[in-house]
Amino acid sequence: GAVVSQHPSRVICKSGTSVKIECRSLDFQATTMFWYRQFPKQSLMLMATSNEGSKATYEQGVEKDKFLINHASLTLSTLTVTSAHPEDSSFYICSAREGNVMNTEAFFGQGTRLTVV
Amino acid sequence: DAKTTQPNSMESNEEEPVHLPCNHSTISGTDYIHWYRQLPSQGPEYVIHGLTSNVNNRMASLAIAEDRKSSTLILHRATLRDAAVYYCILRAANTRGSNYKLTFGKGTLLTVNP
Repeated sequence: GAVVSQHPSRVICKSGTSVKIECRSLDFQATTMFWYRQFPKQSLMLMATSNEGSKATYEQGVEKDKFLINHASLTLSTLTVTSAHPEDSSFYICSAREGNVMNTEAFFGQGTRLTVV
Repeated sequence: DAKTTQPNSMESNEEEPVHLPCNHSTISGTDYIHWYRQLPSQGPEYVIHGLTSNVNNRMASLAIAEDRKSSTLILHRATLRDAAVYYCILRAANTRGSNYKLTFGKGTLLTVNP
């Protein structure tokens, strides 16, 4: 099956710094990628939808200036957590689907565990 | 999005079948029923999906009620590697073919006993 790769899988950063997480579709072109956040013992919450070549669409309550999303190519989307604080510590997961084909499955990255100290 | 209801947790013994139920009484005619599972500290992975007819693949079977208000994910022989949170998600068919998103509920935590 298709593979979505996230990097890094784990990162620790100091409060106030920025962290970039990469999400790559390895064997297909992803016009749309999704970014989720998951706190311990909770479900995945969609943060934003990333479209190649255009601005991301953020879910209500998600600050677009804090969580910068760039989807510059059909195989790469990046999420930058700017001025990270301990409350941003979470498991960040990206998802991608192939092209504009309807009703295909979504492929997920392995997730990035962010710890802000 | 139409909502789904799943039990918080279920337990099974290894090599026995597991039936994971999902209620979706407000499902619309164009909603597909998707199942994903999430192993500990990993991203979710696709299991199966269907619209009206029962579906089988190498991982599982999906049984859909005739009125489509409920469905059951069937793992025919549970293994320890099947221990995960299983999510039942409705996804509307989107004529634009893009930007349809998955809304995750709490899912069912499946424990498999050796």
